[in-house]
Amino acid sequence: GAGVSQSPSNKVTEKGKDVELRCDPISGHTALYWYRQSLGQGLEFLIYFQGNSAPDKSGLPSDRFSAERTGGSVSTLTIQRTQQEDSAVYLCASSRGPPGNEQFFGPGTRLTVL
Amino acid sequence: RKEVEQDPGPFNVPEGATVAFNCTYSNSASQSFFWYRQDCRKEPKLLMSVYSSGNEDGRFTAQLNRASQYISLLIRDSKLSDSATYLCVVNVGNQGGKLIFGQGTELSVKP
Repeated sequence: GAGVSQSPSNKVTEKGKDVELRCDPISGHTALYWYRQSLGQGLEFLIYFQGNSAPDKSGLPSDRFSAERTGGSVSTLTIQRTQQEDSAVYLCASSRGPPGNEQFFGPGTRLTVL
Repeated sequence: RKEVEQDPGPFNVPEGATVAFNCTYSNSASQSFFWYRQDCRKEPKLLMSVYSSGNEDGRFTAQLNRASQYISLLIRDSKLSDSATYLCVVNVGNQGGKLIFGQGTELSVKP
C-alpha cells in the first residue's frame, strides 16, 4: 500500500518568506509526527498529533512554526518568516495509535533558506 | 547531556565482521526502544524493536538493560548492504508518541 508522502520534495526560499510543507500519512494511521534533521544532526521532534487530542507542540523551536492536521489526515507544517537556520530536512511520520508503535517516515522535504 | 547518546562513528569494518553499537538513554521513564536504519539522504526505517528479554532477527541482535539504561545492537557477518547510519531511538511513555533519536552511528562495510 501507499506509504507516507510529503510535498514538495525540495523547497528553496528566500529569508523572510513563509513556506508550507505537506504530509499525507498512511491511511488509517491516527498518529502523525513532524521531525526535522539538520545537516550532520540527529532527528529533532517538532510536533505530534494523535486522533482528536490536542497536539503536542513541545518541540516547535519558535512561534514562527505551526502545524495543523485537517480531518485527522493531511497535515501542513508552516514556517513563517524563514531564517537560514531553518534549513533542514523536514520529515513526517505516521503510526497506528497507541504510542510506542512503529512510525513510518515519509521521504522528507529538503528546505533551503537562502 | 543528550537524552539518547550513541557511540560516535564512523565504524569501518570488512565484510563478514561482527560490529556492536552501544546506546545509553537518560530518562528512566522510557518505555519503548528501537533501532532505526537511515541510508544516505533517505528517511529512517525501523530495523527492529528492542525488548527487555533481548531479541534477534537473523544477523541482528538487540539487547536492553533497563537498570543501566543501555541498549545495544550486534550485527554478525556484516554485508556491504549493511552500510548505513544506525539510530538508537527511545519513546518516553509519559510524553506521548514522540521519539527521541540518538545522533546515529555511521557504519561502512568494505569488501
